Formats: sequence, C-alpha cells, structure tokens
Amino acid sequence: GQQLNQSPQSMFIQEGEDVSMNCTSSSIFNTWLWYKQEPGEGPVLLIALYKAGELTSNGRLTAQFGITRKDSFLNISASIPSDVGIYFCAGIPPGAGNNRKLIWGLGTSLAVNP
Amino acid sequence: KAGVTQTPRYLIKTRGQQVTLSCSPISGHRSVSWYQQTPGQGLQFLFEYFSETQRNKGNFPGRFSGRQFSNSRSEMNVSTLELGDSALYLCASSGTRESQETQYFGPGTRLLVL
Repeated sequence: GQQLNQSPQSMFIQEGEDVSMNCTSSSIFNTWLWYKQEPGEGPVLLIALYKAGELTSNGRLTAQFGITRKDSFLNISASIPSDVGIYFCAGIPPGAGNNRKLIWGLGTSLAVNP
Repeated sequence: KAGVTQTPRYLIKTRGQQVTLSCSPISGHRSVSWYQQTPGQGLQFLFEYFSETQRNKGNFPGRFSGRQFSNSRSEMNVSTLELGDSALYLCASSGTRESQETQYFGPGTRLLVL
C-alpha cells in the first residue's frame, strides 16, 4: 500500500540537542498527524495539523503542515531521555466519504544519550 | 475516560491455528480500526468498523476478518495462522464520523506464531 517517506530512519543524539524529522509524499494531504510510540505501547497522538502552513506546538514539540500540502515536519527542542521512541507521521488524503485511509510513514527511531 | 483496551496483550500460537483478538474503544467512540505492525513494514491498515459495519478495508487476505458489536467493541480473527502473521496488532478508536480521523491507539496484542 501507499506509504509516506519519513526521514531520517533513526537518530542518536545527546540530551539537550534539538531534533528535526520530516515526512514527504508525492500527493497532497488534508491532514497531517504525528504520533510517538514507546516500547510495548501503541502510538500516542502528539500533534494534528489541518491547514497548509499551519504551525502547532505541544510543549517542546513543534510541527508544521507544509505549504505544498505534500510534507510535514516535526521538531523537538532540548531533547530529554524520555523523548526516546519511534515517531510516526500519518496523513489523511483528500476525498469525500468514508473510503479515506490514514497513510503512514515507517517511523523515525529516536535514541537520546543522557 | 478510560483508554482503548486490548486483550490479550500477548499470545503464542502455532501455524494453522486461529486466533481472536479483542478491542474495547474509548467510551462513546464508534469507529474502530485494526492495524498490523511489523518492524520492516510499519503500520499496515487491516480494516475499520463503524456502527457494526466494515466501511474500510486494507489489502490483507481473507484469513483476516473482524466484526464490531453494538457496544462498539470489536474483535479481529485470523484463521490458519502463518509464521508471517507474527506481529503487534493494534486497535485504534475514533470519536468522529469521518473515516480515519484522529485515532487513539490501544497498547496492542503481540502475537507470536511458531
């Protein structure tokens, strides 16, 4: 099935560093979502974006809905050890009715060295 | 509000057997989606149920089936298990009428097929 291009695939950083990851597609989306999954748990919604150009923050996390509607970015400032996990992007393509499906990236695995 | 619950959390089966997984959505949520998660493939959409009807389906063989009850609880069944069915199976519920809008995930059922 269709998947989003999410990069980088993995990151290993020092505590206190800022982190950037992104998600791109060849087609447009109406909604971008960012999730975090910790070991042994299901993904947890971090940020939802609904409009092109929208910039939304959730604590140290900031995400943007790209102007072209084909990409989205997630930044984490001043990383801490509990930021460890896999970050997934997901997009909802345009289309009426109930046949729309969430399209997922393969995730960015983040490790933070204390 | 209690979150999405899934039972069992862990399961070991042998090839050829069948398995049933259960999901209870967040109270008031009528949409339940199921995903298969494996390390190399990310989250793969199985199907979505809304008001006891399957309204969205991924690209999985007919061995994978599901149903939803009047209280919105959902079950997923996999018949004739194969080794490749070993995965984390995630259930997600949504409170909106639109298909696949912002979803809340359960912790998953980890299935190992021997």
